[in-house]
Amino acid sequence: DAKTTQPPSMDCAEGRAANLPCNHSTISGNEYVYWYRQIHSQGPQYIIHGLKNNETNEMASLIITEDRKSSTLILPHATLRDTAVYYCIVRVGMRNFNKFYFGSGTKLNVKP
Amino acid sequence: EAGVAQSPRYKIIEKRQSVAFWCNPISGHATLYWYQQILGQGPKLLIQFQNNGVVDDSQLPKDRFSAERLKGVDSTLKIQPAKLEDSAVYLCASSLEGTKRNEQFFGPGTRLTVL
Repeated sequence: DAKTTQPPSMDCAEGRAANLPCNHSTISGNEYVYWYRQIHSQGPQYIIHGLKNNETNEMASLIITEDRKSSTLILPHATLRDTAVYYCIVRVGMRNFNKFYFGSGTKLNVKP
Repeated sequence: EAGVAQSPRYKIIEKRQSVAFWCNPISGHATLYWYQQILGQGPKLLIQFQNNGVVDDSQLPKDRFSAERLKGVDSTLKIQPAKLEDSAVYLCASSLEGTKRNEQFFGPGTRLTVL
């Protein structure tokens, strides 16, 4: 019952921007979009999240379409260490009773 | 601050045997999650605790899986008896509610192989 759809893999040249798309067409008005990444043999790590406005932090930018049915994670200057599986997640629920729905993720390959 | 700790990191058992995994969340985190991640898939929530009470166990196969969180800190997840399809990475996560991020912090996982 994944609520997100992502391409299985993408390539990106080192130093270029990586744009990772995600579809979440059934998202409800109070459900957040989260992005995590998972480097081989490690647990997933938080990158960024948003509700309806675009967000930026030291790692990435998140662009959410006005209808909230899709979003794009942007890594502005990809490095080899950004090679990982990136998960787009819909967070359902409020406060202590929220639940993460992971998709299958996008394997980003950053190449020299 | 110390992260989420899990042990063992790897476990190999034969089908029909029993196995247990241990998780120590980040200090002060009231919410604890166990996820199952099958190779090539995203993590799937098995059970969520708030302190020592179960909030959601709708995806836990209760005929063979059990979990507990005594005293609201450490947690154990048990499989008894194991099946071949239980081969996966079992991830533990914890979170501190009321923060802006509502972020879940994940441990490194336990990789289970059932032969």
